[in-house]
Amino acid sequence: LAKTTQPISMDSYEGQEVNITCSHNNIATNDYITWYQQFPSQGPRFIIQGYKTKVTNEVASLFIPADRKSSTLSLPRVSLSDTAVYYCLVGDPMDSSYKLIFGSGTRLLVRP
Amino acid sequence: GAVVSQHPSWVICKSGTSVKIECRSLDFQATTMFWYRQFPKQSLMLMATSNEGSKATYEQGVEKDKFLINHASLTLSTLTVTSAHPEDSSFYICSATGGASVEAFFGQGTRLTVV
Repeated sequence: LAKTTQPISMDSYEGQEVNITCSHNNIATNDYITWYQQFPSQGPRFIIQGYKTKVTNEVASLFIPADRKSSTLSLPRVSLSDTAVYYCLVGDPMDSSYKLIFGSGTRLLVRP
Repeated sequence: GAVVSQHPSWVICKSGTSVKIECRSLDFQATTMFWYRQFPKQSLMLMATSNEGSKATYEQGVEKDKFLINHASLTLSTLTVTSAHPEDSSFYICSATGGASVEAFFGQGTRLTVV
């Protein structure tokens, strides 16, 4: 399984754009990149998933360069409620042995 | 979207007793379920993976006789913490995959406190 590396923590202010980068140098050909958000005492919540280039949904964008060895989660105009831990996961969801392995995550603090 | 329901959301038990946690996929068939444990300020640690009708595959260091996992149907998996001790106090989370989506859906978690 591709190991992921993320910054341990980030600080931001309300209304700013936040970009969290994840390194996954050993990503395999069939691996997808998935980001989850977790609030204290809750299960993680799916944010976005992508394979290459750019993916956008109603809450975030995911930028993946051509070599796919990293990815960046972009949160536009964050609010206080975006304070959470963000996890980047890499794996092939079509693989029968696919396991969701969480790294350390990035603890985002949004200040007023 | 798909929903995974975990029950109970919190439980307090006496040391030496067993506790069962249920994880249900409410609107899809969960072919695979994952069980995690999470200590305060730490990441989720995968304990085991279970496929419906098969024995669970445990991660290294996880005692299969202590953490019994049953995935008897496509909508239900249970984790039983046997002979619980205070060090087993933690936040337990289940996740399920299956159906048409490649996304994994997580339960709300169970806070276990062993006294």
